[in-house]
Parts: sequence; C-alpha cells; structure tokens
Amino acid sequence: SQQGEEDPQALSIQEGENATMNCSYKTSINNLQWYRQNSGRGLVHLILIRSNEREKHSGRLRVTLDTSKKSSSLLITASRAADTASYFCAAAGGTSYGKLTFGQGTILTVHP
Amino acid sequence: DSGVTQTPKHLITATGQRVTLRCSPRSGDLSVYWYQQSLDQGLQFLIHYYNGEERAKGNILERFSAQQFPDLHSELNLSSLELGDSALYFCASSVDRNTDTQYFGPGTRLTVL
Repeated sequence: SQQGEEDPQALSIQEGENATMNCSYKTSINNLQWYRQNSGRGLVHLILIRSNEREKHSGRLRVTLDTSKKSSSLLITASRAADTASYFCAAAGGTSYGKLTFGQGTILTVHP
Repeated sequence: DSGVTQTPKHLITATGQRVTLRCSPRSGDLSVYWYQQSLDQGLQFLIHYYNGEERAKGNILERFSAQQFPDLHSELNLSSLELGDSALYFCASSVDRNTDTQYFGPGTRLTVL
C-alpha cells in the first residue's frame, strides 16, 4: 500500500499560475522527496526535505514539511507548459533505510 | 539524463516465460533499488541492494529475484510471468545505503501477452 497520499489527484492551471500539491504520509520519516515523471518516462528528482527542516526552496519550487501533521506540500510558482507532468511525493526512512514509499501522484496540466 | 541505464527499454513476452532486466547504476553509487509501476498499484518498492548485498525487500513476489554483481550492476529476474506482471520496472541508484536522493533510470516497459 502507498504510504504517501497526494491531493489533488489532478490539477489543471494556466501558464503563469502557481500550482500546489499536497502529500500525507503515515509513519516516521528521515526525509521526504518529490519527483516528477513525464508521461511514462523515468522519475526526475526535484527536491529533498529532511525531517528536521520545515521549508526548502529550489528555483521555482518551494516545499514545506509538517512532521506533526505528517504532511508536505510542493508549490511550483509561475508555472510553464513544460511543467506538465505527474508529481510524486516519496517518504524515506524510519526503519525502511533506503526504501522510498511513493504516493499516488498528482497529474499537473499547465495550459499555454 | 540521470546516469542510470536500463536495458531493454521494451520487452514483450508471453505468460509463463522468464525475463531478465538489467540496470547499471551511476558511477560511484553503491545502492541499487528496483521499483514496479503499474496502473492499479502505483509505484511499489521491490528490493534494495547495497554493494552486492540485499538490504531490504518490499512487495516482491517469490517468482521475482534480483542480484547485484561485483561491478555493481544489477539484474531483476522475473519468471513464470503472468498478465498482471505487465508494468514499468524502474531501477534507481544512490551513493550509499541510507535514505538519500535516488536517481532513476528510464525504465523497462514489460508487456506480458
């Protein structure tokens, strides 16, 4: 079963708008990672936030982590058509060592 | 390009057959992970090898087995294939055995007819 649950399942926005995706997980983590997947291709690592961090930025990406609520969010600012993809959160750690437990993903469509 | 290579890209085979998927990790990475992605199950962790040793097992069927060789490449063997084994199989690698960033290969799409 998936530890991470993502919301929304699908998101459709216009270019230039911001996109926010949320993720919840069930057990303790060492870190939480976000990945992007373009249409059945490989997963691309976007950002990793450790359990002792609350917020992290990378370019147009902003990730937050609330360990008390076991939740994380990914914000993509000023979205572009090229951001159209599926986005997955992946919980790492606890007793799982390197294993990543993925959420179901959010399908983001950015209209030009 | 993540630096992780997987072969073949596509594989079409029949039920009952056996196939081998191959993965070469990024240069310097000691850990290799295998994941299965299907429409109904999503992305599922199968198995993790670190420097030739099995470190963790996920929801890997008994019909599936894997190994990591001294040169650090890994193979995932799938036998007695069933229709439900049709999926994308990803390999990922990371520097060590802990919960670091994993770099994913392009995947092998397996179709069982």
